[in-house]
Amino acid sequence: NAGVTQTPKFQVLKTGQSMTLQCAQDMNHEYMSWYRQDPGMGLRLIHYSVGAGITDQGEVPNGYNVSRSTTEDFPLRLLSAAPSQTSVYFCASSRGTEAFFGQGTRLTVV
Amino acid sequence: GENVEQHPSTLSVQEGDSAVIKCTYSDSASNYFPWYKQELGKRPQLIIDIRSNVGEKKDQRIAVTLNKTAKHFSLHITETQPEDSAVYFCAARRAEGNKLVFGAGTILRVKS
Repeated sequence: NAGVTQTPKFQVLKTGQSMTLQCAQDMNHEYMSWYRQDPGMGLRLIHYSVGAGITDQGEVPNGYNVSRSTTEDFPLRLLSAAPSQTSVYFCASSRGTEAFFGQGTRLTVV
Repeated sequence: GENVEQHPSTLSVQEGDSAVIKCTYSDSASNYFPWYKQELGKRPQLIIDIRSNVGEKKDQRIAVTLNKTAKHFSLHITETQPEDSAVYFCAARRAEGNKLVFGAGTILRVKS
């Protein structure tokens, strides 16, 4: 049982490049979310999903897209990376109470 | 939408002392309040949670209290140990949906 798996763990992008952060869970959880973590700002919600085919914006959605075609997968897309998107990104899943986090992706945009 | 404020941002205590972290929330419809611990370089992990129909919950050295009227909740750690050193996050979630909103975090340092 892998839980929540994020890939990659580390990534360096140039400004303007695009990329997709992958997130997969094997716990059959309905709810999945993406957060970014910046020093002194806690975990800020980017996008979330309450089930396959349903997504909604969180606190800081600009510059990010998501889709939820299956229960297991919830990828986060950066269409045109900016230095302000340098952060640690966490994916989480839950069935209603405890949220389980992936190991995080440290993204640097130069 | 929901807004969660957390204080203090940093907290240093001597080993064996107690530590208290406080959070306030804005949305009276929130009904679930978890606390997460994040060790350096690791992912956040749930340590304790409380629902709005309960005023206090304990688990060994940690406890959480909730005051719905004042819309604040607190984490209490007794007999602190060096391994309690970490970042602690409070969070709140509304009754409908599953949008979990976090506080900014508290860096707890336990000095031995």
